[in-house]
Amino acid sequence: AQSVTQLDSQVPVFEEAPVELRCNYSSSVSVYLFWYVQYPNQGLQLLLKYLSGSTLVKGINGFEAEFNKSQTSFHLRKPSVHISDTAEYFCAAEGSNTGKLIFGQGTTLQVKP
Amino acid sequence: GAVVSQHPSRVICKSGTSVKIECRSLDFQATTMFWYRQFPKQSLMLMATSNEGSKATYEQGVEKDKFLINHASLTLSTLTVTSAHPEDSSFYICSAREGRVNFGANVLTFGAGSRLTVL
Repeated sequence: AQSVTQLDSQVPVFEEAPVELRCNYSSSVSVYLFWYVQYPNQGLQLLLKYLSGSTLVKGINGFEAEFNKSQTSFHLRKPSVHISDTAEYFCAAEGSNTGKLIFGQGTTLQVKP
Repeated sequence: GAVVSQHPSRVICKSGTSVKIECRSLDFQATTMFWYRQFPKQSLMLMATSNEGSKATYEQGVEKDKFLINHASLTLSTLTVTSAHPEDSSFYICSAREGRVNFGANVLTFGAGSRLTVL
């Protein structure tokens, strides 16, 4: 089984500042890792994913994440945020032997003008 | 790209009635669909795995008699909340994957969700 922990429930940041949303995972098997964004009363939109290969993955809307196996982390970063990035962000892990996607608790990114 | 449609997007019902939510993969065949439940300002909790042509697999703590899942075809899974009560009010989200569950980590596509309010 796998689990995902998002270390920050809320992250306030000013517009055009950089941001990092932290995610740690644990699993007894190899996992695939994902970041999703959810806007109010909407479903989930995939930002980026790590399946294998290069540990730095780039996604949509200028986001990127780095897979760190030794630290079991998959932190999400953006060098300069916009007001429109205000949303809920979920880190998720899928066990390679289960196909089930398990989500972290979510982090609310609040971008202030 | 792959699209998953959920219907209805919002539903209000009286306590004791049953409500059916549909999840359709519009442009691909989904042998497996997943149903999640999300409480306000909380994460998505996996409820069950819906397998086409067979019984759903429920996560621990989810009442299978309360949440009936049927995956009658490769493009449709339904979740029926039976004898709904106010505590069943929640945001229900389905997701689907094209192809086999463990094959190449094909990315899940999520529906837009269905908000159930039980009065």
